Amino acid sequence: KQEVTQIPAALSVPEGENLVLNCSFTDSAIYNLQWFRQDPGKGLTSLLLIQSSQREQTSGRLNASLDKSSGRSTLYIAASQPGDSATYLCALPQGAQKLVFGQGTRLTINP
Amino acid sequence: DAGVIQSPRHEVTEMGQEVTLRCKPISGHNSLFWYRQTMMRGLELLIYFNNNVPIDDSGMPEDRFSAKMPNASFSTLKIQPSEPRDSAVYFCASSPAGTPTDTQYFGPGTRLTVL
Repeated sequence: KQEVTQIPAALSVPEGENLVLNCSFTDSAIYNLQWFRQDPGKGLTSLLLIQSSQREQTSGRLNASLDKSSGRSTLYIAASQPGDSATYLCALPQGAQKLVFGQGTRLTINP
Repeated sequence: DAGVIQSPRHEVTEMGQEVTLRCKPISGHNSLFWYRQTMMRGLELLIYFNNNVPIDDSGMPEDRFSAKMPNASFSTLKIQPSEPRDSAVYFCASSPAGTPTDTQYFGPGTRLTVL
């Protein structure tokens, strides 16, 4: 059974800093790993999806890496902005399409 | 593109009442998922459908919960009778082809409060 852990649970940084969010998983036999963003009172928005054959994916100021052998993924956010404040969740498929989510990291960027 | 549509957005009901949550997936998507999010347990998959057929309902907490997908553009999640511990945000999501490499697109959720 896949278990997903995200550390830290909450993070507060000043605007402009680069930061890293962490995700670890127990079963390295994965199809892919996704990072989602959730704004308060809203649904989830997919940010990046890394296939198991890839080591990283980039979208704008976001870069996600995947190390299957160590069961880890990181989401790097460059030059953080107040608009980046949200909860970030990582998720992996277990079996066919059942996504298993971490508990998320609540990020606050202070102006 | 309207995205995944859920209704109602908020529901407040009393214990013992029947609750029906509704979802319209993105047109052309073949897979539909129902999730529940609570502070204690995070996001959990309740059930998912491929081509309107339930594939995995192992996450449905108990018999009080049921889900249907009568056609490709509509699904319901019903709780009868509702209990206070059912209070949560319920999300519906859809994906194009029902493969493990697909991205899932989430609706805005229904916040359910059972008094």
